[in-house]
Amino acid sequence: GESVGLHLPTLSVQEGDNSIINCAYSNSASDYFIWYKQESGKGPQFIIDIRSNMDKRQGQRVTVLLNKTVKHLSLQIAATQPGDSAVYFCAENRGAGGTSYGKLTFGQGTILTVHP
Amino acid sequence: KAGVTQTPRYLIKTRGQQVTLSCSPISGHRSVSWYQQTPGQGLQFLFEYFSETQRNKGNFPGRFSGRQFSNSRSEMNVSTLELGDSALYLCASSLGYRDTGELFFGEGSRLTVL
Repeated sequence: GESVGLHLPTLSVQEGDNSIINCAYSNSASDYFIWYKQESGKGPQFIIDIRSNMDKRQGQRVTVLLNKTVKHLSLQIAATQPGDSAVYFCAENRGAGGTSYGKLTFGQGTILTVHP
Repeated sequence: KAGVTQTPRYLIKTRGQQVTLSCSPISGHRSVSWYQQTPGQGLQFLFEYFSETQRNKGNFPGRFSGRQFSNSRSEMNVSTLELGDSALYLCASSLGYRDTGELFFGEGSRLTVL
């Protein structure tokens, strides 16, 4: 069935390093790919999204790359800080026009630990 | 502006009982989605409501139901609880007409079924 999955379940980095979190997806029909961050005891928090007709998008300290050829999505976090420690989820959405409102398909998540 | 508010935050029920969870979206948001989060299955979509109508539904049994009120507040209900229903239930809101995947989540209601 349709799924969005992650290559690595855990990632440990030192403060100040750059982090790269990867995700593989299987649904070529998705319009948007999104990254969420979930801290312990909190709900997921939107980080950044990218539309399927783009291959790169940058935010504040984050960059998302989309490779549709190999159905791969990545999140790069620059100068990682201890406050970045959380579980990171990739997700996909088919966008407006279909029966997709509010319906995201999430990957399993990657635990990012940043050591001071 | 206040975020998404979910109540109760924690609750314990026994098998066979039913439970109602409440969600107040961000002011001005008309779409409310519900998700179930478990260690084994991750985050799974339950349903989405917009203007008091269920617009989208996930693959959950009929024991899971929801509704939305005219003020956009939403409730979800789970009847005849099973042990496997133990989970964090998350509510998320959005404007509802520009669907990029950006949802605003509450902190969740943690349900334990004994």
